[in-house]
Amino acid sequence: DQQVKQNSPSLSVQEGRISILNCDYTNSMFDYFLWYKKYPAEGPTFLISISSIKDKNEDGRFTVFLNKSAKHLSLHIVPSQPGDSAVYFCAANIQGAQKLVFGQGTRLTINP
Amino acid sequence: KAGVTQTPRYLIKTRGQQVTLSCSPISGHRSVSWYQQTPGQGLQFLFEYFSETQRNKGNFPGRFSGRQFSNSRSEMNVSTLELGDSALYLCASAGEVAYNEQFFGPGTRLTVL
Repeated sequence: DQQVKQNSPSLSVQEGRISILNCDYTNSMFDYFLWYKKYPAEGPTFLISISSIKDKNEDGRFTVFLNKSAKHLSLHIVPSQPGDSAVYFCAANIQGAQKLVFGQGTRLTINP
Repeated sequence: KAGVTQTPRYLIKTRGQQVTLSCSPISGHRSVSWYQQTPGQGLQFLFEYFSETQRNKGNFPGRFSGRQFSNSRSEMNVSTLELGDSALYLCASAGEVAYNEQFFGPGTRLTVL
């Protein structure tokens, strides 16, 4: 039973354009969501998070949107840069539980 | 501030052996979580320790165990290794201010032959 799903295994975007990564969840108890970026042979790097009391959180080029009724979140990267090429994981948590549930990841490739 | 460190980075063991992995959290962080990453199952939660007590546990067999010391350093042990235990084992720590945000170490790549 996959509680967090990233349905796109890969995404290719032109440099300078917007990258949109999507994530769906099924467990309505989740109330905190995070995005991580991962390079091969390294641990995930925290990017941005959002609490369920908000529907948007912005940090520089990264914006996360949360649609609670649809149980859907997305990460927008604007503008996309070559260094953004990596695997992106969304993760969900019940606040304070420290028990992240991860999606399967989306490999983002930024083309020059 | 130094990040999460894990030792060793790479490990090769044979079936039936046991292994101990170590994790040092970010200074001041008291919560340490462990995750397993495999190509088939993705990133899965193993367990979480806080102040030397296991607070949360994932769905792994009892061969997987852990502990945390008074300085918040944590170890994870896997006994009677199986081929399927080959994975990247990741440790993450969280502080008490932004307690929902976990910061990961580089991982230990375990290969079981």
